[in-house]
Amino acid sequence: EPEVTQTPSHQVTQMGQEVILRCVPISNHLYFYWYRQILGQKVEFLVSFYNNEISEKSEIFDDQFSVERPDGSNFTLKIRSTKLEDSAMYFCASSETGTGLQPQHFGDGTRLSIL
Amino acid sequence: GENVEQHPSTLSVQEGDSAVIKCTYSDSASNYFPWYKQELGKRPQLIIDIRSNVGEKKDQRIAVTLNKTAKHFSLHITETQPEDSAVYFCAAKRSNDYKLSFGAGTTVTVRA
Repeated sequence: EPEVTQTPSHQVTQMGQEVILRCVPISNHLYFYWYRQILGQKVEFLVSFYNNEISEKSEIFDDQFSVERPDGSNFTLKIRSTKLEDSAMYFCASSETGTGLQPQHFGDGTRLSIL
Repeated sequence: GENVEQHPSTLSVQEGDSAVIKCTYSDSASNYFPWYKQELGKRPQLIIDIRSNVGEKKDQRIAVTLNKTAKHFSLHITETQPEDSAVYFCAAKRSNDYKLSFGAGTTVTVRA
């Protein structure tokens, strides 16, 4: 069964540094998402992406965050200047369609630790 | 925006017994309700979903019920087995939105 893959599994970064989290969505999926989960809290939506554009973003997704599809397979989340409160598990997901009722499939996540 | 509440936060059941997890949602426009299972260190895996045009859906030992009037939906696991031990998340989505709104999760422990 095809899966969403994420790298790295764990990233440790100094506060203020830039970090890039990488994802390879399922190959025939067109919609891509990032979610995060701070330890002990809910999974929270960050952003959705389709056709090289952001289709929806949450209030968490401020100017420090950006997403990109640099080639035909990768989807990245960049945090420009990391803060302690960015420490969380970041999940990438993908789906065949965006709005509508198609399921979103998640990767294993990247645990981001900001020191 | 949508607010999803999930109860209980932890649930311990004897192997063979049933487990029930309940979620409520606030936005009456939500019409898609998936359930994810997350084992330790692994991805959230979709186990069942329900759309608002049906009241119940079953897949082997797992069933989900939806009450649109009361805005709540529940996951039922029958004949629980040790491999059912995991964190279960409910979520809700409006068809015109892209995002899923998640509950806080329920840690289910099945005692052998």
